[in-house]
Amino acid sequence: AAGVIQSPRHLIKEKRETATLKCYPIPRHDTVYWYQQGPGQDPQFLISFYEKMQSDKGSIPDRFSAQQFSDYHSELNMSSLELGDSALYFCASSFPRGLALPDTQYFGPGTRLTVL
Amino acid sequence: DAKTTQPTSMDCAEGRAANLPCNHSTISGNEYVYWYRQIHSQGPQYIIHGLKNNETNEMASLIITEDRKSSTLILPHATLRDTAVYYCIVVLDDKIIFGKGTRLHILP
Repeated sequence: AAGVIQSPRHLIKEKRETATLKCYPIPRHDTVYWYQQGPGQDPQFLISFYEKMQSDKGSIPDRFSAQQFSDYHSELNMSSLELGDSALYFCASSFPRGLALPDTQYFGPGTRLTVL
Repeated sequence: DAKTTQPTSMDCAEGRAANLPCNHSTISGNEYVYWYRQIHSQGPQYIIHGLKNNETNEMASLIITEDRKSSTLILPHATLRDTAVYYCIVVLDDKIIFGKGTRLHILP
């Protein structure tokens, strides 16, 4: 079965550079979520999009922005990178199961960002 | 903050059933219990979820107490590939708040 695709899988950047991470959800999934997992930490929710609109926001720095496009893929843009941004970045996708039901999220393999 | 409490780590012999407990004493009536696992540095993997009835799928069984204040994830025949961090999560809206999880070690 098709899974969530993330690219690139690995990315190395210098401090103060910018980075763009991409996420392609499972076909027919219309909601995308971004999570950040620092070394030795648990994943932390950053932001989510439903039908191209931001649906929820977590602990996303102001230096980061994200959007969802008409084909439902999403991009996480990170500027003025800092050493502390080095982490695994996961994208998850889901499809709506009904107003009263939470949507099961399916995660991608992640992008490992290293800031030097 | 995470609304669940799990043991930090557990060991289980290969081939035996692994029973992972989770306390969620403040769960509200319309919140679901979800279980995910993360094998080293891979994306979290969905395992199972439930509201109040026990659930079973091809991966695991979920036993939820009648008062819904705790649950147990059961891996019926653990293998070495089940070594992972297991997260018990209470979900109402769609934002997952990961707690510390249980690091499960499967022993050969």
